[in-house]
Amino acid sequence: EVQLVESGGGLVQPGGSLRLSCAASGFTVSTNYMSWVRQAPGKGLEWVSIIYSGGDTYYTDSVTGRFTISRDNSKNTLYLQMNSLRADDTAVYYCARGDGAFDFWGQGTLLTVSS
Amino acid sequence: DIQMTQSPSTLSASVGDRVSITCRASQSISRWLAWYQQKPGKAPKLLIYKASSLESGVPSRFSGSGSGTEFTLTISSLQPDDFATYYCQQYNRLGYTFGQGTKLEIK
Repeated sequence: EVQLVESGGGLVQPGGSLRLSCAASGFTVSTNYMSWVRQAPGKGLEWVSIIYSGGDTYYTDSVTGRFTISRDNSKNTLYLQMNSLRADDTAVYYCARGDGAFDFWGQGTLLTVSS
Repeated sequence: DIQMTQSPSTLSASVGDRVSITCRASQSISRWLAWYQQKPGKAPKLLIYKASSLESGVPSRFSGSGSGTEFTLTISSLQPDDFATYYCQQYNRLGYTFGQGTKLEIK
């Protein structure tokens, strides 16, 4: 059974850093395209970043230079390293599998950026 | 970025009704469009990909159509479980973008 489990969310001060994790089971992260998608409280969905099976990475403009997507093949886990966090990064962060249409999603982890 | 605009933002309907939601793209996205259903506190669920392909396990009362810049999600006969928020998403070009959502409410 395919499963994605995010962790690592929490309360961080503006300017701080945090790393989110997404542990996968039932499939291999490294042979799939994997994304992070976020949803601010009461708002819609926003695609954040993708890592291709070949390792190429892409980001939405608002996080470029601050966020880094990566994976650990030995742990079958996806990561999102977030630096220089801002209040408008506050959201539930989902990891999702797919090369555009996302067929499996995790349950999400909440990041709150506030002083 | 490609802008995705859904209409209506809110839709009130009754069990058994046939409803449609429209999604318009700011430029052609061919058929690279997905539809998702989201319930409060839950992750989105993929319903339709490539504009009209039904995801495995999704009831056949859901259907998608369109190409280019205009797309439609249709639910043929609303069931109680269908009251949720629906999002379209383009994946024609990186910088994937979602519509703002359509909340389907019980009339």
